[in-house]
Amino acid sequence: GQSLEQPSEVTAVEGAIVQINCTYQTSGFYGLSWYQQHDGGAPTFLSYNALDGLEETGRFSSFLSRSDSYGYLLLQELQMKDSASYFCAVRSRGGKLIFGQGTELSVKP
Amino acid sequence: DAGVIQSPRHEVTEMGQEVTLRCKPISGHDYLFWYRQTMMRGLELLIYFNNNVPIDDSGMPEDRFSAKMPNASFSTLKIQPSEPRDSAVYFCASSSLNRGLGEKLFFGSGTQLSVL
Repeated sequence: GQSLEQPSEVTAVEGAIVQINCTYQTSGFYGLSWYQQHDGGAPTFLSYNALDGLEETGRFSSFLSRSDSYGYLLLQELQMKDSASYFCAVRSRGGKLIFGQGTELSVKP
Repeated sequence: DAGVIQSPRHEVTEMGQEVTLRCKPISGHDYLFWYRQTMMRGLELLIYFNNNVPIDDSGMPEDRFSAKMPNASFSTLKIQPSEPRDSAVYFCASSSLNRGLGEKLFFGSGTQLSVL
């Protein structure tokens, strides 16, 4: 089976840096993805890691350690508009993509 | 591209009625996914298709749920009969391994289903 664990909620202030962790258990691991979802909206793709290391896309970075079955999403220079839910997801053999329960990020002024 | 198109955006129905949700994936995408989202269970994968063929339907909760993909540009998710516990947001998403976008799912706006 597959399972992912991430914190249910995180709070931070504008301009700060926040890290959202994700640990996973899966068979046939192919990569770890991150999605953002604003209230009432659809999930949108943020990043993907297939190999160990850090991937940077603007203010957002994502990290993966395959040996630890662990990854994180790093958000820098937080803005109010970053308040949303963030989901990690793993893809396994055949293209199946399973999502974690999501982390609700609240950015305070 | 117009993106993934789902209809209807909202559906309110009574218990026991049949519900049909529709999805048009992005042209050229070869994977289509149906997800259900609730506060309690998060984003659950119900079923996914590759090249119009169902690959894994292990997430379909019961026989009341069925999904079809008669061609590359259309899919339906049907609930018959519907029950109040089916109330949720249903998302359709598509992706393309051939275009190197296998890791990037494009989601539709979702269908908010309320079963009374």
